[in-house]
Amino acid sequence: EVQLVESGGGLVQPGRSLKLSCAASGFTFSNYYMAWVRQAPKKGLEWVATISTSGSRTYYPDSVKGRFTISRDNAKSSLYLQMNSLKSEDTATYYCASLTTGGFDYWGQGVMVTVSS
Amino acid sequence: NIVLTQSPATLSVTPGESVSLSCRASQSISTSIHWYQQKSNESPRLLIKYASQSISGIPSRFSGSGSGTDFTLSINRVESEDFSIYYCQQSYSSLYTFGAGTKLELK
Repeated sequence: EVQLVESGGGLVQPGRSLKLSCAASGFTFSNYYMAWVRQAPKKGLEWVATISTSGSRTYYPDSVKGRFTISRDNAKSSLYLQMNSLKSEDTATYYCASLTTGGFDYWGQGVMVTVSS
Repeated sequence: NIVLTQSPATLSVTPGESVSLSCRASQSISTSIHWYQQKSNESPRLLIKYASQSISGIPSRFSGSGSGTDFTLSINRVESEDFSIYYCQQSYSSLYTFGAGTKLELK
């Protein structure tokens, strides 16, 4: 059974940093692209970052480019999101998702990040 | 960036009705569109990939169609568990985007 379990969320002040983690199991993690998707309270879904199998290629929307960094450790079957210079508009539930057969086919339960003073 | 426009924003139906949800892309994206269902306080779930390909474990009443710029998610005879929000998402560009969603609600 595929499982994606996020951790590392919480309350953080504007301008500070936070690092999210996602522990994957139930599939061969190193074979697949992975991504982060977020959802602000009462809002829709927003793609945040994608990483290739080796980690050599990463993609970001303009809203987080230069502030967020996606990375992975295939030996640990883990995905990460380093978030710097956080803003109030980054407040959201952050989901880890896999890209195995097309689309985001597996999702974690999500972790809440609140950016507030 | 590729913009996805979903319509209607809200669709009010009674159980047993069949419905169609629309997703229009700002440029041609072949069949690189995927559909998700999100129930309240739950993670999204992939329903359809690449416009019309079914997903294991998803009820057969869900189907997708379209190519180019116009796409449709159809639900044949809506059941009570189907009342939720539906999103489309494109993977034609490496800069993925989602539509704003269509809320399917009980009439």
